[in-house]
Amino acid sequence: QKEVEQNSGPLSVPEGAIASLNCTYSDRGSQSFFWYRQYSGKSPELIMSIYSNGDKEDGRFTAQLNKASQYVSLLIRDSQPSDSATYLCAVKAGGFKTIFGAGTRLFVKA
Amino acid sequence: DTAVSQTPKYLVTQMGNDKSIKCEQNLGHDTMYWYKQDSKKFLKIMFSYNNKELIINETVPNRFSPKSPDKAHLNLHINSLELGDSAVYFCASSQGTLAGELFFGEGSRLTVL
Repeated sequence: QKEVEQNSGPLSVPEGAIASLNCTYSDRGSQSFFWYRQYSGKSPELIMSIYSNGDKEDGRFTAQLNKASQYVSLLIRDSQPSDSATYLCAVKAGGFKTIFGAGTRLFVKA
Repeated sequence: DTAVSQTPKYLVTQMGNDKSIKCEQNLGHDTMYWYKQDSKKFLKIMFSYNNKELIINETVPNRFSPKSPDKAHLNLHINSLELGDSAVYFCASSQGTLAGELFFGEGSRLTVL
C-alpha cells in the first residue's frame, strides 16, 4: 500500500466550478498535511497546510482533514484556467520525512 | 533574490559519467533536502541534512553521495550514471526538522544517454 494515495486524474472542470481533490494516507501517526501545486516544468509550491480535523479556508482554497478516515481533501472554488496544474498531497508523520502522493492533474476549461 | 537556487538547471551526459548538482538557500533554514521526481511526476525523498548532519538517508544507491559544507548548502554527487537516474532533482529547505513547509529550488533536469 502506498503511503500517500491520490487519484492521478486528469480531473477536468469548467471555469467557475468547484474542483475537488482527494488524498488518503496510511500512517495513523501523521500530524501535518499539505497541498502543493506544481505547474508543468516548475517546482512545487505550498498552497495549504492543515494540522487538525475540520476545514481550513484560504481564499478560494479549502483544505479538509479527517484523521479518523485518514483522508485529506482540497476544494478549489471558482476554478480558473490558471489553476490548471498538478496538485500534490504531502504528509508528515512527526519524523523528518515529508511523503508526497503522485499528484492529481487538474485541467480547468475556459 | 532566489530563495533556493540549484545549478545546473539542465545536465545531459553519457552513462558511466559522474556529475554534481549544487544547491544553496538564503532563507536561513537549517534543514535541506534532495528529492527526485521521475517521469511520472512522483516526488521521492532521497536525503536530508539538518545543520550539516545527515538525518534522512533513504534507500538510494551508493552512487549518490550528498554533502553539506554548511547549513546553507547541500550538494549531490552522482557516480557512474545510469539511464534510470534520468529525472528532475529538487533541492528543498525548511525551518527546522519539524516544520512542514518545504521551499523548493527550480529543479535540475538530468538526462542520461
